[in-house]
Amino acid sequence: EAGVAQSPRYKIIEKRQSVAFWCNPISGHATLYWYQQILGQGPKLLIQFQNNGVVDDSQLPKDRFSAERLKGVDSTLKIQPAKLEDSAVYLCASSLGSTIFSYGYTFGSGTRLTVV
Amino acid sequence: SQKIEQNSEALNIQEGKTATLTCNYTNYSPAYLQWYRQDPGRGPVFLLLIRENEKEKRKERLKVTFDTTLKQSLFHITASQPADSATYLCALGSSGNTGKLIFGQGTTLQVKP
Repeated sequence: EAGVAQSPRYKIIEKRQSVAFWCNPISGHATLYWYQQILGQGPKLLIQFQNNGVVDDSQLPKDRFSAERLKGVDSTLKIQPAKLEDSAVYLCASSLGSTIFSYGYTFGSGTRLTVV
Repeated sequence: SQKIEQNSEALNIQEGKTATLTCNYTNYSPAYLQWYRQDPGRGPVFLLLIRENEKEKRKERLKVTFDTTLKQSLFHITASQPADSATYLCALGSSGNTGKLIFGQGTTLQVKP
């Protein structure tokens, strides 16, 4: 089966600009996650969707970050305006709730964002 | 607050030896714990899951232990190979099927031939 697709792979922007990342999860996976991974750290959850509803966005900086999953399939994460500290890899993952105990999350390769 | 600690120093071992990585946590009562492998420029890849009522889990050359009293998990790779060189992440999950995971910072393993 196809994996989790993310684009773009790399993005360099200036501070105060906006940027958007796209994710297409594995077909049939109801749950989608966006994680932020700063260099040398573990992934940190930004937002979790179940179908097209938000389950957890407690760590999403809502003054500048937004995410949507309109049809319960692919998702977009936006940052506006970007700050230097937003430089990180943005990982998208998906899971089929009933199989998380056997297969865990499936991650995409991520988008590496550099804010200059 | 919840805290997960993995050895931040890289672990260097000789090929054929057993690698042991540690994951400690505080202020958390996970229902399960997962281990992931992450290669440079790639997303994490799921390896193993162990539940709170399980002491040990094995998969090929991998073994995971889970001690909820010590709040610690150990991850072993036996007969290590240079291809095992990567960063290994532990992640804790709560009960229920929301699937939310909290990750540690990872430990980098380098296996020398």
